[in-house]
Amino acid sequence: GAGVSQSPSNKVTEKGKDVELRCDPISGHTALYWYRQSLGQGLEFLIYFQGNSAPDKSGLPSDRFSAERTGGSVSTLTIQRTQQEDSAVYLCASSFRTGTSGSSYNEQFFGPGTRLTVL
Amino acid sequence: AQTVTQSQPEMSVQEAETVTLSCTYDTSESDYYLFWYKQPPSRQMILVIRQEAYKQQNATENRFSVNFQKAAKSFSLKISDSQLGDAAMYFCAYQPWGAQKLVFGQGTRLTINP
Repeated sequence: GAGVSQSPSNKVTEKGKDVELRCDPISGHTALYWYRQSLGQGLEFLIYFQGNSAPDKSGLPSDRFSAERTGGSVSTLTIQRTQQEDSAVYLCASSFRTGTSGSSYNEQFFGPGTRLTVL
Repeated sequence: AQTVTQSQPEMSVQEAETVTLSCTYDTSESDYYLFWYKQPPSRQMILVIRQEAYKQQNATENRFSVNFQKAAKSFSLKISDSQLGDAAMYFCAYQPWGAQKLVFGQGTRLTINP
């Protein structure tokens, strides 16, 4: 079946511009996550959506970052007034709802990411 | 706050040999999960192996096995009979029981020499 898809694959923008990154989760997955991977670094959690619950935004680095998830499926991560330090790979992951299988674990499946370069 | 540390930025091994990647973590929780993820040049993270903290037995998946030392908060990955396709970045990750987000280490770049 289809995995998690993200678009665009690469995005180059100028400092100060707004960008939108898109994530299509695996069909049937109700949980969706965004992570950021800066050059040479591990992944940093940004935000988590679970069904119709309020998202966990605890990882968003500033108020320039926001995300929404429409219809419980596709998600868009928006970065306003981009800065050079926003340059990174933005990875999306999805999973079944935590606890669905009787445990607190459900594997997160990752997309290929969007490489954002801010000039 | 929970942290994950991978002290080896780069490792290399001869094809068919065995290599061990190190990972330590810091947490006050007693129940949690630990993971090793592989990230090839395609950037897509692939789950290699998972360990539940309440299990004393070390997880094994074919050529991949872990050495989980809960008291020492250590979680190393052993790759046996290394293959060229194993070349990638490897990330150690931690997830508290009942939580959603993963906490990742900095990664280890593994090179396989033919």
